[in-house]
Amino acid sequence: GAVVSQHPSWVICKSGTSVKIECRSLDFQATTMFWYRQFPKQSLMLMATSNEGSKATYEQGVEKDKFLINHASLTLSTLTVTSAHPEDSSFYICSARDMGRFAEAFFGQGTRLTVV
Amino acid sequence: AQRVTQPEKLLSVFKGAPVELKCNYSYSGSPELFWYVQYSRQRLQLLLRHISRESIKGFTADLNKGETSFHLKKPFAQEEDSAMYYCALRTTGTASKLTFGTGTRLQVTL
Repeated sequence: GAVVSQHPSWVICKSGTSVKIECRSLDFQATTMFWYRQFPKQSLMLMATSNEGSKATYEQGVEKDKFLINHASLTLSTLTVTSAHPEDSSFYICSARDMGRFAEAFFGQGTRLTVV
Repeated sequence: AQRVTQPEKLLSVFKGAPVELKCNYSYSGSPELFWYVQYSRQRLQLLLRHISRESIKGFTADLNKGETSFHLKKPFAQEEDSAMYYCALRTTGTASKLTFGTGTRLQVTL
């Protein structure tokens, strides 16, 4: 199956700093990628839809200035958590849609962010 | 707005027993329903989708539009089925997206 790679798998940062998470589709092109946030023992909550070459679409309640999304190429989307605070600590997961496979979404392994 | 409900957080069954993971949805349009599985320390992966009407690893799921349900079933549970299962609905249109249920942890014991 198709592979989506997230980097880093885990990161610890200090409050006030910014962290960038990368999401790559390794063997297919993805015009659309999605960013989710998952709290412990809870479901995946969609944060935003990332569209190649255009602005991301954010879900209600998600601060676009806080969570910057860039989708500059068909294989790479990045999520930058700006001025991170401890409450931003979470598991962030990306997925990429392969339009060649019934638009199936493939998921990255996730990134565990801890803000101290 | 669309919604996916999985009423059980945990389902514990014995090996060889039948399994049914419940999923109900609400959506004003014509939905696409999926089941995703997440094994321990692995990423989320697609198990099956309603349009394929297939059986994967012995699991099946039938979309019941009258009851707005998409329950996941398997006649005989195996230990390796222990995992987290998420039901998801994909909206239609140019801005389609997946909405996930809260997930059910299936625990198969000997």
